[in-house]
Amino acid sequence: DGGITQSPKYLFRKEGQNVTLSCEQNLNHDAMYWYRQDPGQGLRLIYYSQIVNDFQKGDIAEGYSVSREKKESFPLTVTSAQKNPTAFYLCASTGILNQPQHFGDGTRLSIL
Amino acid sequence: QKEVEQDPGPLSVPEGAIVSLNCTYSNSAFQYFMWYRQYSRKGPELLMYTYSSGNKEDGRFTAQVDKSSKYISLFIRDSQPSDSATYLCAMSADDKIIFGKGTRLHILP
Repeated sequence: DGGITQSPKYLFRKEGQNVTLSCEQNLNHDAMYWYRQDPGQGLRLIYYSQIVNDFQKGDIAEGYSVSREKKESFPLTVTSAQKNPTAFYLCASTGILNQPQHFGDGTRLSIL
Repeated sequence: QKEVEQDPGPLSVPEGAIVSLNCTYSNSAFQYFMWYRQYSRKGPELLMYTYSSGNKEDGRFTAQVDKSSKYISLFIRDSQPSDSATYLCAMSADDKIIFGKGTRLHILP
């Protein structure tokens, strides 16, 4: 079955630590996205990538970094510069830029 | 004015009732109109989408788009307890997609 796999499901970060969230898709989609979801705030775009080796900042990119070395993979690193990282992180993809996106089941990040 | 507005709820209705969920928007350039269902601790699941205006039906679900009023709706007939979730509307144009904040729906058995 085609889909988007996010791992891990739960992640804990210590102070000063960088952590990386994995997102893999086998839908052959070109565009991939990272969102952050906080209660009452909806989905906020962190980064997106339209093609391999290219990505753009979204609305809240500070304290995050991404890479897109393969079409199937779009990992997100939450750096120590992100002072409020506790949130539910969602990865999405789509074949064509403004068409409906498909989501993974998210990673919940908490601070130790 | 926000680009997409959605009442956060919660909306509680008895089992079997017809549910109406709505969003308003301000950008007349939006072309795709989507509804997602999100269960607790899960990612949003694409329920339905329409391109431009009109209605679309899929089983118990009907999506309507009124571009003249900048208003979209999702109707759920014969609502079931399993329909209890958060419903997000979304709209897109060019390279931009905007999500509503979601409406929490509770179907009471």
